[in-house]
Amino acid sequence: KAGVTQTPRYLIKTRGQQVTLSCSPISGHRSVSWYQQTPGQGLQFLFEYFSETQRNKGNFPGRFSGRQFSNSRSEMNVSTLELGDSALYLCASSPQEVPSSYNEQFFGPGTRLTVL
Amino acid sequence: QQPVQSPQAVILREGEDAVINCSSSKALYSVHWYRQKHGEAPVFLMILLKGGEQKGHEKISASFNEKKQQSSLYLTASQLSYSGTYFCGVRSGGGADGLTFGKGTHLIIQP
Repeated sequence: KAGVTQTPRYLIKTRGQQVTLSCSPISGHRSVSWYQQTPGQGLQFLFEYFSETQRNKGNFPGRFSGRQFSNSRSEMNVSTLELGDSALYLCASSPQEVPSSYNEQFFGPGTRLTVL
Repeated sequence: QQPVQSPQAVILREGEDAVINCSSSKALYSVHWYRQKHGEAPVFLMILLKGGEQKGHEKISASFNEKKQQSSLYLTASQLSYSGTYFCGVRSGGGADGLTFGKGTHLIIQP
């Protein structure tokens, strides 16, 4: 089975621009989560989607948004980029199980975003 | 709120044991452990649920103290391949909350 894929792998933007990152989960996985990773803060939770519905949202400003499509692929968007948004953005997918808290997450390689 | 991991970093010789701790100020439903090697994605190690269920790799052991809202990851007879950054993630709110990770513990195994 193919793993989680993320595109693009690297991105350079300037302050004020917006960016869209894409994530394709493992086939059959319906849950997708997004994380921001920085050296100082580690892995910080952004959103969690299941069957096109946002189930949870982390403590990030409204500039960060996301969505999930009917094929489980997900995108996240960051508008009005700031220097502090420079980070590795990781996507993870999970299989459907009950309870959902028992799901292991499979991470993609990430998108490295640099904001100049 | 992020769980707190300790120690922040540890250096061991191959064959030595290590314990990594994770504590939270919130009532926990589950604790999740992942390892990330430099330049790679985090990889699942173990899940521990409130009530005692757990799922993970056979060579990894961990504990979950529900009363103290703490978990510990035990690495015995460490190998060079154990090097990396270990993250604990927690879910509270009856398991409905998003997975919140600690800042990580850097583990270096020397030959």
